[in-house]
Amino acid sequence: DIQMTQSPSTLSASVGDRVTITCRASQSISSWLAWYQQKPGKAPKLLIYKASSLESGVPSRFSGSGSGTEFTLTISSLQPDDFATYYCQQYNSYGAFGQGTKVEIK
Amino acid sequence: QVQLQESGPGLVKPSQTLSLTCTVSGGSISSGGYYWSWIRQHPGKGLEWIGYIYYSGSTYYNPSLKSRVTISVDTSKNQFSLKLSSVTAADTAVYYCASGASAFYDYWGQGTLVTVSS
Repeated sequence: DIQMTQSPSTLSASVGDRVTITCRASQSISSWLAWYQQKPGKAPKLLIYKASSLESGVPSRFSGSGSGTEFTLTISSLQPDDFATYYCQQYNSYGAFGQGTKVEIK
Repeated sequence: QVQLQESGPGLVKPSQTLSLTCTVSGGSISSGGYYWSWIRQHPGKGLEWIGYIYYSGSTYYNPSLKSRVTISVDTSKNQFSLKLSSVTAADTAVYYCASGASAFYDYWGQGTLVTVSS
């Protein structure tokens, strides 16, 4: 099974900060990686697929990079609406998610 | 725009089978090329992929749940379903149905809480 590990688990940041979240796969998944944003009581929302492709309607301050086993999600300038939990998901083999990164207000 | 809606009992007794249905609107479940999936989230925890059924009928399950899970499609009702047998309190979670043209998910249901308790 492919395991996904995100870091950090929690991130404290301020509006306007540049934020980076890392996701590592236990084996190569090429670029078969998606990122989601989840707010309390809501279903996850797709942000990025194929490691770096921005989903339609998602603000351009969100970007993804990486391939193989290491990936990053970057928010270039954190906005009030961005305080949420973020998950990576590999879809190279089955569909394992990372454990999540909570972005909270500093 | 595809929309998904989960339905089923909110309370299941231990050792019984959890059964949920996802009704698809705004698109045909048999139109091809889509992955129809179930994902769950334990209270206060992260997302756990349960499995999916491809439009061809092929199914793929999380190895940790494989012995207890069945996902099926009813094209006449434009629905797909989840059955999870021999449930315990550890299966208490919010269950989401989701779909996408690849095995990532751009469409999600709102989620339904299932509690396992006697």
